[in-house]
Amino acid sequence: DAGVIQSPRHEVTEMGQEVTLRCKPISGHDYLFWYRQTMMRGLELLIYFNNNVPIDDSGMPEDRFSAKMPNASFSTLKIQPSEPRDSAVYFCASSPGTGSNEQYFGPGTRLTVT
Amino acid sequence: DAKTTQPPSMDCAEGRAANLPCNHSTISGNEYVYWYRQIHSQGPQYIIHGLKNNETNEMASLIITEDRKSSTLILPHATLRDTAVYYCIVRVQGMNDYKLSFGAGTTVTVRA
Repeated sequence: DAGVIQSPRHEVTEMGQEVTLRCKPISGHDYLFWYRQTMMRGLELLIYFNNNVPIDDSGMPEDRFSAKMPNASFSTLKIQPSEPRDSAVYFCASSPGTGSNEQYFGPGTRLTVT
Repeated sequence: DAKTTQPPSMDCAEGRAANLPCNHSTISGNEYVYWYRQIHSQGPQYIIHGLKNNETNEMASLIITEDRKSSTLILPHATLRDTAVYYCIVRVQGMNDYKLSFGAGTTVTVRA
């Protein structure tokens, strides 16, 4: 398996623009997670899905952030409008969810908002 | 979830065993100990987990004390590629709640 795939790997955008990050989880994994990592706050869980249904979005910072999972092989994290403080590395992870907390992370998307 | 305490950093010589400690004195009976690591500029990587028995896989060994208040991750023959931040996480398993809380971790530097 190719592992978790994220795109783009790097994104530079201007404040106010819409940003869409994409994730393809490992085939057969029922859980998908979106994390954000910054130097100041470390690695934070934003939202996670089970069988394409959002389970916990309490980590989503504000209404500018939204996440969807239209099918088992694709998820998006959208920021609209983007702000400089959204600059971070965003990771997607998936898990088989067989009662274990083994999560497999993608390479991340480095977002820079100017 | 039980809180974990790890040293902020440690050095290790290449080819030697690296022993990474973690304290989790408030761990409850149904909480597992998980270890992840994050190599610079990469996503975190799952290493190993255990409940109370010692565990070993191709990457590492996990030793959990009998009272479960602390554990040690052992990298048997550290290489330069093992330089990373190592996270010890305590989490209930099988409760349909899969949130992992990553703390500051231990920055391990393997030196030639």
